[in-house]
Amino acid sequence: GAGVSQSPSNKVTEKGKDVELRCDPISGHTALYWYRQSLGQGLEFLIYFQGNSAPDKSGLPSDRFSAERTGGSVSTLTIQRTQQEDSAVYLCASSLAGVGYTFGSGTRLTVV
Amino acid sequence: AQSVTQPDIHITVSEGASLELRCNYSYGATPYLFWYVQSPGQGLQLLLKYFSGDTLVQGIKGFEAEFKRSQSSFNLRKPSVHWSDAAEYFCAVGTLIQGAQKLVFGQGTRLTINP
Repeated sequence: GAGVSQSPSNKVTEKGKDVELRCDPISGHTALYWYRQSLGQGLEFLIYFQGNSAPDKSGLPSDRFSAERTGGSVSTLTIQRTQQEDSAVYLCASSLAGVGYTFGSGTRLTVV
Repeated sequence: AQSVTQPDIHITVSEGASLELRCNYSYGATPYLFWYVQSPGQGLQLLLKYFSGDTLVQGIKGFEAEFKRSQSSFNLRKPSVHWSDAAEYFCAVGTLIQGAQKLVFGQGTRLTINP
């Protein structure tokens, strides 16, 4: 597509429930990234995928967080047993090598 | 490990005034440097980037930034701001790993424009 698409744009969930956030990158972009932006904070790196290489999961805050990228395209970020501190905007970005990111508009997650 | 510091959390300038947003980075090699802008409720938009070459980089919307290796800085400037420039600005430093750019972002500077 023309841009990075994220869905849903907003998600309200109850504490303890699992959520899935979707990212559809720009067609042809080999790298895909997930970041988290908490209220009044900068962007916290979570995970990235590059081609067929093993993903860099070094930013995932706990084992409740996982992500996959199917067929080198769409990615899903899953948060299990959500906690209130998981409330944030989750941003996805994609890139061609060395060009800089194109970000999606994000998914605002609220855990109540 | 890389890090980015944006010393100013919030800056207010008058419309038409000049602007400089500060960014200092820590990185052992030649960095890839970026400035992004985030308008309220929006995603991040790339303003400009520095990879190599000319240390004065021109971006979109009339912004420019200058890479100063001796000061580990990459400050963003604009000669005359417009009300539409009110937004959050993020500086980032990146490393190229297997064709992917892993970016580390600063905490952001919120820019308010007075009419």
